[in-house]
Amino acid sequence: NAGVTQTPKFQVLKTGQSMTLQCAQDMNHEYMSWYRQDPGMGLRLIHYSVGAGITDQGEVPNGYNVSRSTTEDFPLRLLSAAPSQTSVYFCASSYNPGGTSTDTQYFGPGTRLTVL
Amino acid sequence: AQSVTQLDSQVPVFEEAPVELRCNYSSSVSVYLFWYVQYPNQGLQLLLKYLSGSTLVESINGFEAEFNKSQTSFHLRKPSVHISDTAEYFCAVSDGNQFYFGTGTSLTVIP
Repeated sequence: NAGVTQTPKFQVLKTGQSMTLQCAQDMNHEYMSWYRQDPGMGLRLIHYSVGAGITDQGEVPNGYNVSRSTTEDFPLRLLSAAPSQTSVYFCASSYNPGGTSTDTQYFGPGTRLTVL
Repeated sequence: AQSVTQLDSQVPVFEEAPVELRCNYSSSVSVYLFWYVQYPNQGLQLLLKYLSGSTLVESINGFEAEFNKSQTSFHLRKPSVHISDTAEYFCAVSDGNQFYFGTGTSLTVIP
């Protein structure tokens, strides 16, 4: 199993540009989520999904969109990039849906995004 | 919403010395507790977790954590650290719906 994969690993954008961060998992996990990691702030939840066709907002959803058309994929879209979105983005997945999120989360390697 | 506080942002410790990384949480509901470790330029990996049962949980590499409900704490300990333990450690809480992470503790083991 590849686990959780994320592409790209690095990305530089100009203010106002849009892009999609890709996340895929091959473990048939129902629960997937996106976090951003900033110095001194830990990981903050952006959006999460408890299954195909179901998404919900986390702590910091503004400026981001998600969709979940398949169990495997959970892309994160930046609609109009801003310098405040410079961060490291992690995708994670786990067996159980959000209603019983007691299971281990498996994290991808991260995408380092810089917005100029 | 829940909150997680990691009291120390940086902890330097000499090799083979003991270490404790502190974690406190606030919650009005039952929670599930986790410690994750992040090595440089990598994603997070689960170190150990408390779901129910014995309040003392252990990892395969010598770390342990104890759930203390009265003090709402889940401190991480290791009796003798190695150079390879140098990493960022995150405490996390789940209320059964979402995960909430602390700000992390950077552990540096000094030879």
